[in-house]
Amino acid sequence: EAGVVQSPRYKIIEKKQPVAFWCNPISGHNTLYWYLQNLGQGPELLIRYENEEAVDDSQLPKDRFSAERLKGVDSTLKIQPAELGDSAVYLCASSPRGQNTGELFFGEGSRLTVL
Amino acid sequence: GENVEQHPSTLSVQEGDSAVIKCTYSDSASNYFPWYKQELGKRPQLIIDIRSNVGEKKDQRIAVTLNKTAKHFSLHITETQPEDSAVYFCAASVTGNQFYFGTGTSLTVIP
Repeated sequence: EAGVVQSPRYKIIEKKQPVAFWCNPISGHNTLYWYLQNLGQGPELLIRYENEEAVDDSQLPKDRFSAERLKGVDSTLKIQPAELGDSAVYLCASSPRGQNTGELFFGEGSRLTVL
Repeated sequence: GENVEQHPSTLSVQEGDSAVIKCTYSDSASNYFPWYKQELGKRPQLIIDIRSNVGEKKDQRIAVTLNKTAKHFSLHITETQPEDSAVYFCAASVTGNQFYFGTGTSLTVIP
């Protein structure tokens, strides 16, 4: 079974530039998460989707961050414009609906460096 | 919302010794507590989890204990090996789809 796929793995941009990250969850997983992971910290939720609906985006800085999950499968997270403090790893995770295990399946992350 | 605290932030042990990582949570409604292992540059992966109706769970060299009254849970790794070196994250969840993570423990096993 293919895991959660993210791209790009690494991105270096100058501040004020836009950037976008893409995530392909495990087939059949209805729930998709975007997490922010700063160095030495645990993952912090940015947004959670149930199918194509964003059900929890309270921690997403909506002035510069946006996300979409068209057709309830792949998802894109965008930052425009990027700031120095956005340098971090952006993790995507998915889980099946109605699961009992509660397990999150993570992608390998997209590491963003803003210069 | 839920607040999860994790200690220690770094831990070094000799190969073969035991390692213990502790987490506390604030929301008494939390009922699911997973532990994730993240090797350098890799994705976090679930290694063990426990639900609130269970006090202890073991899987080979790893075990997790839960004290609901005190609202804390711990990860125990026995007979540590160099490949156990990684960052470990605890998490707490109420609904099974909202997860609150601790800040991580960097474990180093010294050969």
